Amino acid sequence: SQKIEQNSEALNIQEGKTATLTCNYTNYSPAYLQWYRQDPGRGPVFLLLIRENEKEKRKERLKVTFDTTLKQSLFHITASQPADSATYLCALDQTNAGKSTFGDGTTLTVKP
Amino acid sequence: DAGVIQSPRHEVTEMGQEVTLRCKPISGHDYLFWYRQTMMRGLELLIYFNNNVPIDDSGMPEDRFSAKMPNASFSTLKIQPSEPRDSAVYFCASQGTVNEKLFFGSGTQLSVL
Repeated sequence: SQKIEQNSEALNIQEGKTATLTCNYTNYSPAYLQWYRQDPGRGPVFLLLIRENEKEKRKERLKVTFDTTLKQSLFHITASQPADSATYLCALDQTNAGKSTFGDGTTLTVKP
Repeated sequence: DAGVIQSPRHEVTEMGQEVTLRCKPISGHDYLFWYRQTMMRGLELLIYFNNNVPIDDSGMPEDRFSAKMPNASFSTLKIQPSEPRDSAVYFCASQGTVNEKLFFGSGTQLSVL
């Protein structure tokens, strides 16, 4: 069966450190993968999109990698800040499927 | 643009009542999605539309749920009759074109007593 697993339901790190979140999938052939941030009481907000033929994407302090052989994406936040505390969701999109399937999310807490 | 607008923000109703959730997508977006989020099941896709036409409703839990998109600027999700297990946060999202990022509304927190 198809499955998306985001390891570590909760991740606690110290301010200034790099947070690394994982997204593993089985029985999918995603054309691309997205990462979203969700704050309590709000809808998810798009952060980054990486396509199957891309290995890495960066945006300011954010970096995402996509390994289709390992069936895994890693999401990094460097120089983390307390304001980065939120739940982060990965979403897979299969070619022309027109719909995104979301993982359960990882809740990140950055302590000052 | 004001983004995706959902109403109401909160809805409390009694079992057996009809519930209607509303969504206004971002102008010019071709795709509209209805998602449901619970602690147990995470964020689940219920149904999505392309150019006002329902494309995939395989995520709709049962016949008590129905969705419409009468025009490009409005969609509704209706639950009739509602049950306590329908309690969740319902999100609407729109997308400019296929394989692009989603823009989510703030959600409707539904509580069925």
